[in-house]
Amino acid sequence: DTEVTQTPKHLVMGMTNKKSLKCEQHMGHRAMYWYKQKAKKPPELMFVYSYEKLSINESVPSRFSPECPNSSLLNLHLHALQPEDSALYLCASSQVLKGDGELFFGEGSRLTVL
Amino acid sequence: AQTVTQSQPEMSVQEAETVTLSCTYDTSENNYYLFWYKQPPSRQMILVIRQEAYKQQNATENRFSVNFQKAAKSFSLKISDSQLGDTAMYFCAFMKQIYGIQGAQKLVFGQGTRLTINP
Repeated sequence: DTEVTQTPKHLVMGMTNKKSLKCEQHMGHRAMYWYKQKAKKPPELMFVYSYEKLSINESVPSRFSPECPNSSLLNLHLHALQPEDSALYLCASSQVLKGDGELFFGEGSRLTVL
Repeated sequence: AQTVTQSQPEMSVQEAETVTLSCTYDTSENNYYLFWYKQPPSRQMILVIRQEAYKQQNATENRFSVNFQKAAKSFSLKISDSQLGDTAMYFCAFMKQIYGIQGAQKLVFGQGTRLTINP
């Protein structure tokens, strides 16, 4: 199984809503990532989890709250978002110690904030 | 800080032709990895090819090959016998090993090249 599965594929929410994005992998990877990608732009790193601990927060606003409940799951909790937060949110995973850099990406969750 | 530059926002070639995508990068690191990722309209980022900086030999994967010039900090991707399925956004990326955080890796992406293969 070399898949990273993201749900939902599409999400529309209002600025006062609370929603969550979910990411799952069963490759035994112990590093998991959230990226944000605006149209026609490269992905931008948001968070990195290593061994279920938050390793990197790229100065992301607190309205985005990541969670890694176990080694296979990664969530991104969304609250009080702004229309400019509309984007494709990509989850990725990788081996930690191998260090050859290959990230496995999911298909992304397309978020629209009204 | 590392930067990755792709100077060709868009390219278009006919099916079966050979196309080369350019990438330059800037780093003070001596050991690192370089990648080409492909993102088709289906949205999923897929690794095309990887190059380890300490290896002199250019990486190849079937129809895909790179021209890695370490001194010039250049890393171009050549696609031979291009196919309609090669139509996608291509991102060049640099991997910076984050010291002190066990195994965590940060990819720095270029702005991308939108490649269209015409029938």
